[in-house]
Amino acid sequence: AQRVTQPEKLLSVFKGAPVELKCNYSYSGSPELFWYVQYSRQRLQLLLRHISRESIKGFTADLNKGETSFHLKKPFAQEEDSAMYYCALSGWEWGGYQKVTFGTGTKLQVIP
Amino acid sequence: DSGVTQTPKHLITATGQRVTLRCSPRSGDLSVYWYQQSLDQGLQFLIQYYNGEERAKGNILERFSAQQFPDLHSELNLSSLELGDSALYFCASSARDTYEQYFGPGTRLTVT
Repeated sequence: AQRVTQPEKLLSVFKGAPVELKCNYSYSGSPELFWYVQYSRQRLQLLLRHISRESIKGFTADLNKGETSFHLKKPFAQEEDSAMYYCALSGWEWGGYQKVTFGTGTKLQVIP
Repeated sequence: DSGVTQTPKHLITATGQRVTLRCSPRSGDLSVYWYQQSLDQGLQFLIQYYNGEERAKGNILERFSAQQFPDLHSELNLSSLELGDSALYFCASSARDTYEQYFGPGTRLTVT
């Protein structure tokens, strides 16, 4: 069974401070991991996926298979980063299909 | 705009009633996912369809059902509604199981 854990419901940081949103997963195979963001009153949208190894809006995330983590980081928080962030895992299930599991989300609040 | 559309935007109904939420995926996407987002539960995966067939089931109540039609649009039926069913219901689509999901704007359901 696959599981995604985001231990923090709310993370408050000051503008300009570093940000780390934690995501841990449980999955026996090789997962595909994503971060989605939901700004106030907007739809969820993909922020980044681990296989592309890109930086979006200054955010990066590295897959650590040893620690089964996919933490989202940004060196200097901006007020416009305030949003809800969801970590998601896509993995193969018995029956030959991919299942996507979302974490419960972390609300990032950047204090001016 | 992700290309995923959902109707209606808002729905207010009474307990015990039945409603149908509609989702049109992005052109060419075969997978449709339904999610429930409430303040206390976060984003909950309900069900996934792939090219007309049910692919995966999450925390979907027996009072809820869904289907995907030959033209790939999907409907989520909620019956015997309870106050606790009040939430934002999102639909998402993807080209394949492993691809990123594109979310619709959601339908806000209020049960009074």
